[in-house]
Amino acid sequence: AQKVTQAQTEISVVEKEDVTLDCVYETRDTTYYLFWYKQPPSGELVFLIRRNSFDEQNEISGRYSWNFQKSTSSFNFTITASQVVDSAVYFCALYGFQKLVFGTGTRLLVSP
Amino acid sequence: DADVTQTPRNRITKTGKRIMLECSQTKGHDRMYWYRQDPGLGLRLIYYSFDVKDINKGEISDGYSVSRQAQAKFSLSLESAIPNQTALYFCATSEGGGGNQPQHFGDGTRLSIL
Repeated sequence: AQKVTQAQTEISVVEKEDVTLDCVYETRDTTYYLFWYKQPPSGELVFLIRRNSFDEQNEISGRYSWNFQKSTSSFNFTITASQVVDSAVYFCALYGFQKLVFGTGTRLLVSP
Repeated sequence: DADVTQTPRNRITKTGKRIMLECSQTKGHDRMYWYRQDPGLGLRLIYYSFDVKDINKGEISDGYSVSRQAQAKFSLSLESAIPNQTALYFCATSEGGGGNQPQHFGDGTRLSIL
């Protein structure tokens, strides 16, 4: 069975702090894909990144960075110098065995 | 205009009523999906369709049905709504050729069943 665990239900930080959202996954598929989505207070879901299981290179996009480690089955997401606009629920998801499975999400609250 | 449009955005109805949620897309994607989101449970897949003639059950299809009327349209029906179907419903699309393509979501339909 496939599973995505986001153990952090809610994180609160003050603006400009760095924050890391954890994602741990389980799969027996040898080829799989990992995703992060953002759900701002307005409710829509926004695709942030996709990573395949053969590419363990970390990725940086502006203030966002992702650390993929197969050895620990983790795909963590770091926001550097957080801003109020980063306040949202963030979902990690795993695609394998022809199914996309979502974690339960981490709510990030960034206060001024 | 949004690439993936869901109607209605909000709906309040009574137990036992038949409800249809509609989804249309202008992205030209072959694959379409319906999910529901409940607090603390993330998104769960209800049904998905890889093309007009293809319909597949997801994780929680009981109590729901779907219709893929065209490549661009995928509707979700609740034949006889019950209160525990109160949730936020999302339609999504993705390109064909492999489910590893990112899914693109509509803005959601908030459904309340009294």
